[in-house]
Amino acid sequence: EVQLVESGGGLVQPGRSLKLSCAASGFTFSNYYMAWVRQAPKKGLEWVATISTSGSRTYYPDSVKGRFTISRDNAKSSLYLQMNSLKSEDTATYYCARHRAENGYFDYWGQGVMVTVSS
Amino acid sequence: DIQMTQSPASLSASLEEIVTITCQASQDIGNWLAWYQQKPGKSPQLLIYGATSLADGVPSRFSGSRSGTQYSLKISRLQVEDPGIYYCLQGYSAPLTFGSGTKLEIK
Repeated sequence: EVQLVESGGGLVQPGRSLKLSCAASGFTFSNYYMAWVRQAPKKGLEWVATISTSGSRTYYPDSVKGRFTISRDNAKSSLYLQMNSLKSEDTATYYCARHRAENGYFDYWGQGVMVTVSS
Repeated sequence: DIQMTQSPASLSASLEEIVTITCQASQDIGNWLAWYQQKPGKSPQLLIYGATSLADGVPSRFSGSRSGTQYSLKISRLQVEDPGIYYCLQGYSAPLTFGSGTKLEIK
């Protein structure tokens, strides 16, 4: 059974940093692209970042480019999201997702972790 | 960026009724289209990928279709467990973009 379990969320002040983690199990982690998707309270879904199988390629929308960094540790079956210079508009539930890049969709999602950026 | 215009924003239908939700892509995305269902407090669940392929474990009353740059999700016979918010996703090019969502309720 595929499982994705996020951790590391919480309350953080604007301008500070936070690092999210996602522990994967039930599949060969190193064979899949992985991604982060977020959802602001009562809002829709927004793709945040994608990383290739080896970690050599990363992709971001303009809204987080230069502030967020996605990374992975295939030996630990873990995905990370380093978030710097956080803004109030980054407040959201962050989901880790397995990214089927060959067809451009996310097939499994974690339960999500809440990040609140507020002073 | 590719815009995904989803309609309707909300929908109320009776049990056993046929329901259709659409997404219009602002440019050609081929079959790089997926549909998700999200229930309150839960993560999104994949329903359809490749515009028309049913995800594992998804009931056959769900189906996807494509006509040019317009994509549709059809629920053939609405069931009590189907309410939620439905989203489309284009995975053709970065930034990947979702539709704004359709809130489906039982009448």
